[in-house]
Amino acid sequence: SQQGEEDPQALSIQEGENATMNCSYKTSINNLQWYRQNSGRGLVHLILIRSNEREKHSGRLRVTLDTSKKSSSLLITASRAADTASYFCATDARSGAGSYQLTFGKGTKLSVIP
Amino acid sequence: DAGITQSPRYKITETGRQVTLMCHQTWSHSYMFWYRQDLGHGLRLIYYSAAADITDKGEVPDGYVVSRSKTENFPLTLESATRSQTSVYFCASSDQGSYGYTFGSGTRLTVV
Repeated sequence: SQQGEEDPQALSIQEGENATMNCSYKTSINNLQWYRQNSGRGLVHLILIRSNEREKHSGRLRVTLDTSKKSSSLLITASRAADTASYFCATDARSGAGSYQLTFGKGTKLSVIP
Repeated sequence: DAGITQSPRYKITETGRQVTLMCHQTWSHSYMFWYRQDLGHGLRLIYYSAAADITDKGEVPDGYVVSRSKTENFPLTLESATRSQTSVYFCASSDQGSYGYTFGSGTRLTVV
C-alpha cells in the first residue's frame, strides 16, 4: 500500500502564482523527499527533509514537515510554465537499521498556465 | 556518458515471452531499485539491491526476477510476460541508501 498520499491530485495555476501540494503518510519516517517528473521522463530529486527538521528551503521551493500530523507540504513560489510536471512525495519508513527503500505517493499533477 | 541508463526505451512483446530490461549506472552506487509506474497506482517497488549479489523483494515482485552480479548492472527479467505487466519501468540508484535516488529515463513495456 502507498505510504504517502499527495493532495490535490491535480492543480492548475497561472504563471507567477504560488503552488502548494500536500503529502500525508502513515508510519514514522527517517526522512521525506519530493521528486518532480516531467511528462515521459524519469523522476528528479528536488529536496529532502529529515524527521527532526520542520522546514527547508531550496531556491523557490519550501518544504515543511509536521511529524505529529504525519504530513508535509511543498510550496513552489512564483511558478513558471517550466514547473509544469507531476510532483511526488516519498518516505523512508523508519524500520530499523538499513532502511533505504522509498515509498512513493501517487503524485500531484501541476499545470502552470503562461 | 556518466549516469543511469535504461534500455530499451520502448519494448513491445507477446504474452508468455521472456523479457529483460537493462539498467546500468556509472557511479558505482551501492543501492539500486526497480519500480513500475501505472496510472492510479503511482510508483511501486518491484525489487531492490543493497550491493552486488544482494537483492530483495519489494511490494510487487511476483513474475519478476533480478540479478546483480556487478555493482553497475541491475537487470530485471519478466519470466513469462503477462498483459498486467504492461507498464513504465524505472530503475534508480543511490549511494546513501534512501537519501536521494537518481532515476533512469524509464522503459515503456507493452505486453500484447
